[in-house]
Amino acid sequence: DAKTTQPTSMDCAEGRAANLPCNHSTISGNEYVYWYRQIHSQGPQYIIHGLKNNETNEMASLIITEDRKSSTLILPHATLRDTAVYYCIVRLTSGTYKYIFGTGTRLKVLA
Amino acid sequence: GAVVSQHPSWVICKSGTSVKIECRSLDFQATTMFWYRQFPKQSLMLMATSNEGSKATYEQGVEKDKFLINHASLTLSTLTVTSAHPEDSSFYICSARPRVGGRPSSYNEQFFGPGTRLTVL
Repeated sequence: DAKTTQPTSMDCAEGRAANLPCNHSTISGNEYVYWYRQIHSQGPQYIIHGLKNNETNEMASLIITEDRKSSTLILPHATLRDTAVYYCIVRLTSGTYKYIFGTGTRLKVLA
Repeated sequence: GAVVSQHPSWVICKSGTSVKIECRSLDFQATTMFWYRQFPKQSLMLMATSNEGSKATYEQGVEKDKFLINHASLTLSTLTVTSAHPEDSSFYICSARPRVGGRPSSYNEQFFGPGTRLTVL
């Protein structure tokens, strides 16, 4: 499975967009990019995923570069409740479907 | 939809005892369930992959005789920590992948339980 690298921590002002980058330079053509977040002492929560195209849902947008070697998760209007650790995961489209978590980005939304 | 529960949410036990943690998919059938362990301020570490009706596949370095996994049905997997010791104290999290083509998703994402905090005295 491809390895992902993310910044250790980021701050964002409440109401502003939070842009969380992820590098997955060794990704292969049959691997999805998934984003999850984990609020303290809870299980991870699914946010969004994509393969090649940019994706948007009610929580966030996912921008994947054309070469697929990196992606950015965008929370359009961050709130204090978005403070969490955000994990970018690359997963095969077949086989075991297992996730290998990286270190994640600790996002702190400031009032 | 896509709710995964764990029981208990926390447990304290004495060293040498065994502890069983249950993971249930409440509103969908799970072909595969996964077990993770998380130490304070660290990321999740995959322990094993569990498929219904077959033996679990353990990640390298995880002792299968210490962490017994049973996946007897499409909605239940159990993790038993045998002869627990203080170093086994951790946050144990399970996840479930819906049956392919079934609801709530066909994209094979995992849905996570709320976790079980184990403290071994």
